[in-house]
Amino acid sequence: NAGVTQTPKFRVLKTGQSMTLLCAQDMNHEYMYWYRQDPGMGLRLIHYSVGEGTTAKGEVPDGYNVSRLKKQNFLLGLESAAPSQTSVYFCASSDRDRELLAKNIQYFGAGTRLSVL
Amino acid sequence: DAKTTQPNSMESNEEEPVHLPCNHSTISGTDYIHWYRQLPSQGPEYVIHGLTSNVNNRMASLAIAEDRKSSTLILHRATLRDAAVYYCILRDVQMTGTASKLTFGTGTRLQVTL
Repeated sequence: NAGVTQTPKFRVLKTGQSMTLLCAQDMNHEYMYWYRQDPGMGLRLIHYSVGEGTTAKGEVPDGYNVSRLKKQNFLLGLESAAPSQTSVYFCASSDRDRELLAKNIQYFGAGTRLSVL
Repeated sequence: DAKTTQPNSMESNEEEPVHLPCNHSTISGTDYIHWYRQLPSQGPEYVIHGLTSNVNNRMASLAIAEDRKSSTLILHRATLRDAAVYYCILRDVQMTGTASKLTFGTGTRLQVTL
């Protein structure tokens, strides 16, 4: 049981380049999330999805796009990377039934460390 | 979500108990108390949660004050592998139909020494 898998683990981009971060979960979870974590700070929500084909903005969505074409995958795209997007990105997923009862347990991937030069 | 306050850092000796405090004086009656931890270079992982009663699981215990304005995460015997940042987070049980967006503060960095 792999849980939540993120690829790639590390990436270096030049300003203006684009890339896609992939998150895959094998727990049949409805909800998926993308967070970013900057040094010395807690995680901040970028975008999230409550089901296949649906996405919504989180706390810091600017400069990012997402897609949820399949239930198990949640993609985070950077169309034109900027140095301010240098961060560690975490994907998470959670079960909908537990969600509705607020017994929210989110399962996180190991993160993608992104540097934009 | 209501706000939580945690000490920035704590230290413990290995194999001794650790009590990590969290203050949440503005907690509402429908807020669950969740704890997550983040090991170095890892994503956060769920530790425990509770509403009113004390809770135990294989990782830790959660002691909740009678007035629910504070709680304590208890690691019964700290090991070097417990060195991590511990986050105390409140979640409103009435937020149905929407994704629960966890709000992470800066947490408590626990150092465990031999």
